[in-house]
Amino acid sequence: AQSVTQLDSQVPVFEEAPVELRCNYSSSVSVYLFWYVQYPNQGLQLLLKYLSGSTLVKGINGFEAEFNKSQTSFHLRKPSVHISDTAEYFCAVRGNAGNMLTFGGGTRLMVKP
Amino acid sequence: EPEVTQTPSHQVTQMGQEVILRCVPISNHLYFYWYRQILGQKVEFLVSFYNNEISEKSEIFDDQFSVERPDGSNFTLKIRSTKLEDSAMYFCASSADRGTNQPQHFGDGTRLSIL
Repeated sequence: AQSVTQLDSQVPVFEEAPVELRCNYSSSVSVYLFWYVQYPNQGLQLLLKYLSGSTLVKGINGFEAEFNKSQTSFHLRKPSVHISDTAEYFCAVRGNAGNMLTFGGGTRLMVKP
Repeated sequence: EPEVTQTPSHQVTQMGQEVILRCVPISNHLYFYWYRQILGQKVEFLVSFYNNEISEKSEIFDDQFSVERPDGSNFTLKIRSTKLEDSAMYFCASSADRGTNQPQHFGDGTRLSIL
């Protein structure tokens, strides 16, 4: 079984500042890692995914994440945020057997002008 | 870009009644999923469906729940004898296949309110 912890429930940040949203996971098997974003009144949209290969993955909207196996982390970063990045961000893992995603509790990113 | 569509966006039902939540997955996708998010809690996996049968299910998905693909386009979640604690946002998702490089695409959700 897998579990995901998103350490920050809310992250306030000023526009054009950098941001890091933290995600840690636990699993007894190899995992595949995902970040999803949920804008108000919308569904979950895939930002990026790590399946294998390079540990630094780039996604949509200028976001990137780094897989760190030794620290069991997959933190999401953006060097300069915009007001439009205000949303809920979910980290998720999937094991190597089965398709179910296990989600973290979400982090609400609030970008202020 | 193709989307997963869910109807209705909001469903209000009396406790004890049956409810059917509807989803139209992306047309060439083969795997279908239901997740739910109780207010203030994590998104939780309910069930996955492939080739007209359940592929995986969580412990949440008990005899109260059932899924069906009644035709070539719809994928439904039926909840019988609804309880107050069934109130949640229900998300449908689909993926092209079960391969590890196939992301799940989510709909906008149906907010189910049990009174």
